[in-house]
Amino acid sequence: QQQVKQSPQSLIVQKGGISIINCAYENTAFDYFPWYQQFPGKGPALLIAIRPDVSEKKEGRFTISFNKSAKQFSLHIMDSQPGDSATYFCAAYTNAGKSTFGDGTTLTVKP
Amino acid sequence: ETGVTQSPTHLIKTRGQQVTLRCSSQSGHNTVSWYQQALGQGPQFIFQYYREEENGRGNFPPRFSGLQFPNYSSELNVNALELDDSALYLCASSLGPDRRGGETQYFGPGTRLLVL
Repeated sequence: QQQVKQSPQSLIVQKGGISIINCAYENTAFDYFPWYQQFPGKGPALLIAIRPDVSEKKEGRFTISFNKSAKQFSLHIMDSQPGDSATYFCAAYTNAGKSTFGDGTTLTVKP
Repeated sequence: ETGVTQSPTHLIKTRGQQVTLRCSSQSGHNTVSWYQQALGQGPQFIFQYYREEENGRGNFPPRFSGLQFPNYSSELNVNALELDDSALYLCASSLGPDRRGGETQYFGPGTRLLVL
């Protein structure tokens, strides 16, 4: 059962544009929602994370928007750069020690 | 670069064999989690070890087992390998097991396992 659905599967954005990746979850026990960035040959690296008591969190060019009632959250990358080209994963964690990841979005930022 | 290392980087096994993958956690981290990442998919949580005890498990059969040593390094063992076990196996270490508290997980580069 896919508990975290991520879209789109792939995304192409021009340099300087805004990249938006969306995730939806089903399990209301999730209470920690990170986004990871993964480059080829590397493990995922934490980018930014949010908890459900906050509707938005911004760190530099990266923003998470969280809608608890809709059970959705999204990653916005402002002023996208070619160096941002990578695969992005959303994830959801319970406090019982279990995590669920989305299937990933491959972002390509064209110069 | 994180301080998490994994060995080997690549491995080829045949169906029915057994495999052991190793992970050295980042200095000071007492918690290690293991994930399976199939091609084109996100990581799937296998289990977590905290201070040498299993502390949570995902939907994986018992032939997936693990160990954590006093220095907090860890092993993932898979018995009776199946073709579907072909994947990238990731370990991640953290300062503690409480992700709700925001304990950041640092992932290693993974071990790519191919089962023929």
